[in-house]
Amino acid sequence: AQKVTQAQTEISVVEKEDVTLDCVYETRDTTYYLFWYKQPPSGELVFLIRRNSFDEQNEISGRYSWNFQKSTSSFNFTITASQVVDSAVYFCALSEAGDDKIIFGKGTRLHILP
Amino acid sequence: ETGVTQSPTHLIKTRGQQVTLRCSSQSGHNTVSWYQQALGQGPQFIFQYYREEENGRGNFPPRFSGLQFPNYSSELNVNALELDDSALYLCASSLLRDDGGYTFGSGTRLTVV
Repeated sequence: AQKVTQAQTEISVVEKEDVTLDCVYETRDTTYYLFWYKQPPSGELVFLIRRNSFDEQNEISGRYSWNFQKSTSSFNFTITASQVVDSAVYFCALSEAGDDKIIFGKGTRLHILP
Repeated sequence: ETGVTQSPTHLIKTRGQQVTLRCSSQSGHNTVSWYQQALGQGPQFIFQYYREEENGRGNFPPRFSGLQFPNYSSELNVNALELDDSALYLCASSLLRDDGGYTFGSGTRLTVV
């Protein structure tokens, strides 16, 4: 069965600190996709990254970086030098190849304090 | 590229009523999916439409139904509304089998009283 677990319900950090959001997933497929989305108060889900199961290279995009480890079924997201505008709910998600739905975790609400 | 637009943005309905939510897909996308996001939860897959036919369904009762039109716009209909149907309803468009190239709209917030 597919499952995504985000154990951190809510995190608060002071601006400029680094913060890591954890994500653990379960799937029986060998081919799958992992995602991170950001949801600001406006409600729209903003796509951040998609990673397929065959690409375990870590990725960096500006202040954002992602650590994909198949051995521990984790896909963690780090924000470096956090800013107040990073405050939002962040969702980790999973989609199996050929399956048209995305399974979301429950999200982590991130507060960046000025 | 126009993005995904949903209407209305907010809606209040009474228990037992019926509601129709609308979604206009991103240009070039032939598939639309609907998700329900209850407060404090992640979005849950309701169903997907491809070429005007249902292409997959999550664990939602038949009173949740949909339509997709030739221009790829879509509707989500919910009959016999219950209080637990109060949620943010998100529409996402994609190209079928693109394995995650979804573009989400801002959603319709439905409140059932």
